[in-house]
Amino acid sequence: DQQVKQNSPSLSVQEGRISILNCDYTNSMFDYFLWYKKYPAEGPTFLISISSIKDKNEDGRFTVFLNKSAKHLSLHIVPSQPGDSAVYFCAASLQTGANNLFFGTGTRLTVIP
Amino acid sequence: DSGVTQTPKHLITATGQRVTLRCSPRSGDLSVYWYQQSLDQGLQFLIQYYNGEERAKGNILERFSAQQFPDLHSELNLSSLELGDSALYFCASSPQGAITEAFFGQGTRLTVV
Repeated sequence: DQQVKQNSPSLSVQEGRISILNCDYTNSMFDYFLWYKKYPAEGPTFLISISSIKDKNEDGRFTVFLNKSAKHLSLHIVPSQPGDSAVYFCAASLQTGANNLFFGTGTRLTVIP
Repeated sequence: DSGVTQTPKHLITATGQRVTLRCSPRSGDLSVYWYQQSLDQGLQFLIQYYNGEERAKGNILERFSAQQFPDLHSELNLSSLELGDSALYFCASSPQGAITEAFFGQGTRLTVV
């Protein structure tokens, strides 16, 4: 049972425009959410996170929005750059000190120069 | 470079065989986690070790086992391999027991033929 879902396997965006990656979850007990970026032949790299007590967190060009009532989060990248082309995974945990992450299936972002 | 080293990078083996995947955590990290990513799936948590002891178990098959040695490196043993075990196996490490603070290795791609 996939508790974290990324329904868009791929997304293409023009350089300089906004990229919006979406993620839905089913478990209302999830307390902490993370986004990872993965390049080919590399492991996932932590990008940004958000606690369930917040609805927005920003880090430079990256902003994560959380809508708890809709069990939905999104990652905005503005402006998108060709180096952002990668697979993005959404992940959730039951608490910040948890020992297990529930991952989505990933969205492949391609930023076109 | 995350500081987490996994060997080998690639492994091809036949059904019914046994393989061992190795993970060296970042210096000073006490926790090691193993994840499996099958084709078009999210990463699935297998098992966590903390300072040599098993801390948590996820969706790990009985044919799979792991251990963490006194020098804190870890090995994941996969036996009686089946075609469906073909996947990317990721190791991650964190200073204590929180996966949300973990760094991932580049993964071992296992192909069972």
